Amino acid sequence: GQNIDQPTEMTATEGAIVQINCTYQTSGFNGLFWYQQHAGEAPTFLSYNVLDGLEEKGRFSSFLSRSKGYSYLLLKELQMKDSASYLCAAMDSNYQLIWGAGTKLIIKP
Amino acid sequence: GAVVSQHPSWVICKSGTSVKIECRSLDFQATTMFWYRQFPKQSLMLMATSNEGSKATYEQGVEKDKFLINHASLTLSTLTVTSAHPEDSSFYICSAREGTAEETQYFGPGTRLLVL
Repeated sequence: GQNIDQPTEMTATEGAIVQINCTYQTSGFNGLFWYQQHAGEAPTFLSYNVLDGLEEKGRFSSFLSRSKGYSYLLLKELQMKDSASYLCAAMDSNYQLIWGAGTKLIIKP
Repeated sequence: GAVVSQHPSWVICKSGTSVKIECRSLDFQATTMFWYRQFPKQSLMLMATSNEGSKATYEQGVEKDKFLINHASLTLSTLTVTSAHPEDSSFYICSAREGTAEETQYFGPGTRLLVL
């Protein structure tokens, strides 16, 4: 079956670095998305990886290993506003999104 | 974990026809369902929020007469795109929430609509 796993909750300190991992199993693969969702708001697109490697975009970076079915989102210089849920979603061969349940990130001062 | 399904996965239709998309929560009762539209590599745009048994709340700029939403039961919400036009071609995603606003939203796999 198709499946996405990511931690339910993580806690980090303001100014620090945190890595949110995501493993996936899908029928075919057409890319891996990361979204940020603040409570009561729609998910905001953060990144899309379809090739192996690290893509950096400001304080946020996303990594993909297709052979391992693994991705991570790296957040640097954490700010209080980064407290949110982070959703991992993989796109299968039919271009359907398989969603993780989201990782709630709590930032402490 | 909780599963949300959408049907159909893909739909191609002629301009002027209406298309109905179903969103179902398979193993929980969804008091609230959300309908989103997504353009490639962009954030999900919330179209409307529906609560079972009541009228949907539409976001600003979303035509309620064009995008009809019916949340008939605790496990089913439907989005009907009426008189579809090519500009309505998009990826429509629903999500469902079981209880309060603090609870997790579970997302469906999406429905690709292509209007010719």
